[in-house]
Amino acid sequence: AQSVSQHNHHVILSEAASLELGCNYSYGGTVNLFWYVQYPGQHLQLLLKYFSGDPLVKGIKGFEAEFIKSKFSFNLRKPSVQWSDTAEYFCAVVPAGGGSQGNLIFGKGTKLSVKP
Amino acid sequence: ETGVTQSPTHLIKTRGQQVTLRCSSQSGHNTVSWYQQALGQGPQFIFQYYREEENGRGNFPPRFSGLQFPNYSSELNVNALELDDSALYLCASSLLRAYKMEGYTFGSGTRLTVV
Repeated sequence: AQSVSQHNHHVILSEAASLELGCNYSYGGTVNLFWYVQYPGQHLQLLLKYFSGDPLVKGIKGFEAEFIKSKFSFNLRKPSVQWSDTAEYFCAVVPAGGGSQGNLIFGKGTKLSVKP
Repeated sequence: ETGVTQSPTHLIKTRGQQVTLRCSSQSGHNTVSWYQQALGQGPQFIFQYYREEENGRGNFPPRFSGLQFPNYSSELNVNALELDDSALYLCASSLLRAYKMEGYTFGSGTRLTVV
């Protein structure tokens, strides 16, 4: 079955530290990849997405992610985090093939806490 | 452009009861999907509706059912509630042919507690 693994359950960083959140998926075919963020009390918001082309994608608020096909990975990065980045981050995939139901398959999420 | 709105925001039900959750999709979107997010978990796909018909379903029992209306709004119905149904229920909308690339727009969810 298709699945998404996020390596870290809870990450605690100080402001200005660099961030990397891991995401691996299990699916042999072509996928489209997403990172969503959920700020406390708010709805899921799209941070960035990848479906083709340059494997390094840039999103909102200074986030970027790199798709490494050989490693089935789509790690999220930010060079310098801010207190306002405190949130839960979800990696998700959609198999791009015609047989896909088109639903997002989410990882369990990584809670990021940034200390001021 | 309005986003996805869900109602109610919170709900408490007793085991065995039935519940209906509502969702208004983002303007211009014709597809609605429902997800269940249990505490400490990522959202799990329940089903998707397009043109008022179910267009895909996850691993949820038949007591989870839905409707989509001509204005693309949707309802999620759960019968015979169980304690494990306690979760945040998310509605997400998109254009059918765009979701694989564009993703979905999510609502803030309905927090259902079953006691």
